Amino acid sequence: DTGVSQDPRHKITKRGQNVTFRCDPISEHNRLYWYRQTLGQGPEFLTYFQNEAQLEKSRLLSDRFSAERPKGSFSTLEIQRTEQGDSAMYLCASSTGQTRTNEKLFFGSGTQLSVL
Amino acid sequence: DAKTTQPPSMDCAEGRAANLPCNHSTISGNEYVYWYRQIHSQGPQYIIHGLKNNETNEMASLIITEDRKSSTLILPHATLRDTAVYYCIVRVALTQGGSEKLVFGKGTKLTVNP
Repeated sequence: DTGVSQDPRHKITKRGQNVTFRCDPISEHNRLYWYRQTLGQGPEFLTYFQNEAQLEKSRLLSDRFSAERPKGSFSTLEIQRTEQGDSAMYLCASSTGQTRTNEKLFFGSGTQLSVL
Repeated sequence: DAKTTQPPSMDCAEGRAANLPCNHSTISGNEYVYWYRQIHSQGPQYIIHGLKNNETNEMASLIITEDRKSSTLILPHATLRDTAVYYCIVRVALTQGGSEKLVFGKGTKLTVNP
């Protein structure tokens, strides 16, 4: 399977704990995006990378959230001191980055986070 | 905020065409309309996109009105596996890096019935 891979698929944690998710984009895709989706809502943009550079962050990304993409390959999203409101599906997507518009995003299956 | 509006739900009989409408009255002249769908417990899947001409691919057809203020996604022969939430999206430019983000609304929940 050469699609976008996310790990773990499910994560249950207690409030106050730190969690980290991993995303492996499609090989050779330069752009990588993180989205968050709560129940009954469409996904919301969190942040994106062009190679290893994090270029934009949504105001939804509080100081407790940090994302990295070392060497421009896989990416990690860490949430510190989790809160119950962080419970959501965290989706990763990648694209080739060859054009500004007219691009298809390929999404992973997401990591479902439950904070107890 | 999403720049599109869609009905919250629709039903379709298996084997019949499913026509999903979308309004995007504030779309700019150079903005594309994208359609994605999300099957339960999976990430969104790209379906099709267009600017002003009608488009067709192996999954669906996209009909865009001449004034570009609305569009319709057509699944010509819906199957049970097409049951999903369908999102109509106009992408929003990001300030850095020359990329765009997808601004999702709540989409249309399409149920294909046997």
